[in-house]
Amino acid sequence: GAVVSQHPSWVICKSGTSVKIECRSLDFQATTMFWYRQFPKKSLMLMATSNEGSKATYEQGVEKDKFLINHASLTLSTLTVTSAHPEDSSFYICSARDWRRGNQPQHFGDGTRLSIL
Amino acid sequence: QKEVEQDPGPLSVPEGAIVSLNCTYSNSAFQYFMWYRQYSRKGPELLMYTYSSGNKEDGRFTAQVDKSSKYISLFIRDSQPSDSATYLCAMSAIGGGGADGLTFGKGTHLIIQP
Repeated sequence: GAVVSQHPSWVICKSGTSVKIECRSLDFQATTMFWYRQFPKKSLMLMATSNEGSKATYEQGVEKDKFLINHASLTLSTLTVTSAHPEDSSFYICSARDWRRGNQPQHFGDGTRLSIL
Repeated sequence: QKEVEQDPGPLSVPEGAIVSLNCTYSNSAFQYFMWYRQYSRKGPELLMYTYSSGNKEDGRFTAQVDKSSKYISLFIRDSQPSDSATYLCAMSAIGGGGADGLTFGKGTHLIIQP
């Protein structure tokens, strides 16, 4: 159980375009979803936290107008990278948990590799 | 000083050896400690989830937490080539990361030689 699906797994696009990444919890309700970013040989860095039906909370240094997060249902959150540039190229990973289930850990998707040309 | 320190490796050991992976941390508020395994181009997979100090065993894996020293370990017995991956420690002050997410180490790249 506790499966999180992320789509697409890999996307290549031109500089200036916007890219939307989906994160779905398949067999549980995700009251909270997290978005992380990972550079090669680096740790996962938390970008933002979103609770279903609320505005996302962004970590210091993360531009909320650049990285738009929507968490409109208990099974879906989206991250849109607006006007993407080469420096936005990275591995983006979402995770999800249901806070109503107590101290249960986060479950991660398989990530989206974003390459901006 | 970074919140979580983890030696990135690579750590190369022969098949069948006992592997020891470690992290140190500075934030005394951390109470929940996790070990994730990450294969190349994949998301992290939860291996162990522990609360406070002590040991936890699951099959070939044993997690140890020493809060007094701010030091956590993961031991892998009878290591297999399929264990070759990057191992990430993660921790939080609130169970499951609460509303604040997890703080990760850089990850240790482990190679098990057949």
